[in-house]
Amino acid sequence: QKEVEQDPGPLSVPEGAIVSLNCTYSNSAFQYFMWYRQYSRKGPELLMYTYSSGNKEDGRFTAQVDKSSKYISLFIRDSQPSDSATYLCAMSFSNDYKLSFGAGTTVTVRA
Amino acid sequence: DSGVTQTPKHLITATGQRVTLRCSPRSGDLSVYWYQQSLDQGLQFLIQYYNGEERAKGNILERFSAQQFPDLHSELNLSSLELGDSALYFCASSVAQGNTQYFGPGTRLTVL
Repeated sequence: QKEVEQDPGPLSVPEGAIVSLNCTYSNSAFQYFMWYRQYSRKGPELLMYTYSSGNKEDGRFTAQVDKSSKYISLFIRDSQPSDSATYLCAMSFSNDYKLSFGAGTTVTVRA
Repeated sequence: DSGVTQTPKHLITATGQRVTLRCSPRSGDLSVYWYQQSLDQGLQFLIQYYNGEERAKGNILERFSAQQFPDLHSELNLSSLELGDSALYFCASSVAQGNTQYFGPGTRLTVL
């Protein structure tokens, strides 16, 4: 079993729809949770960063962490074709700064 | 643009050869991380340096080594290359040993 599980999709939605992405993890010691966006053949770009449980909102993006369920989510409201990319969840421990990544979910937003 | 630079963008070489990948972190960042991204393994942590010192190691092969120089740039050396080493290699940096890591554009390595 992988430490971080993420459905690779692909996920295709119409423009304006809400995109819902999620990851599950097995190690309850993870404390920091991140979402990265990666366009084809580019480097991952940090979207959201959350410590421990709770919600965080930034513009059209909302990140949720439920540590009791070992489950994190990313919601993208009013999706645009420019949101078409691969979305990677990542997490780390409090005293170990290497990131453990999910496999990434490929999202296509249709105009 | 994250501010992290990596050279070269592409590298094509043969099995058994040795290559060096270079990374310059964002201005002011002291910590550098190296990751490998392949189709079958996804993004995997290789190694971390902080202000010139090695701080953490992941599943890095013995054929691979890295260092961080006094000007804080870092190099990843890959030797005795195998076909399976073909991948995207990313460098990331952070201000301290924090978790907000910013990634460079990557070096695509192709081993023929």
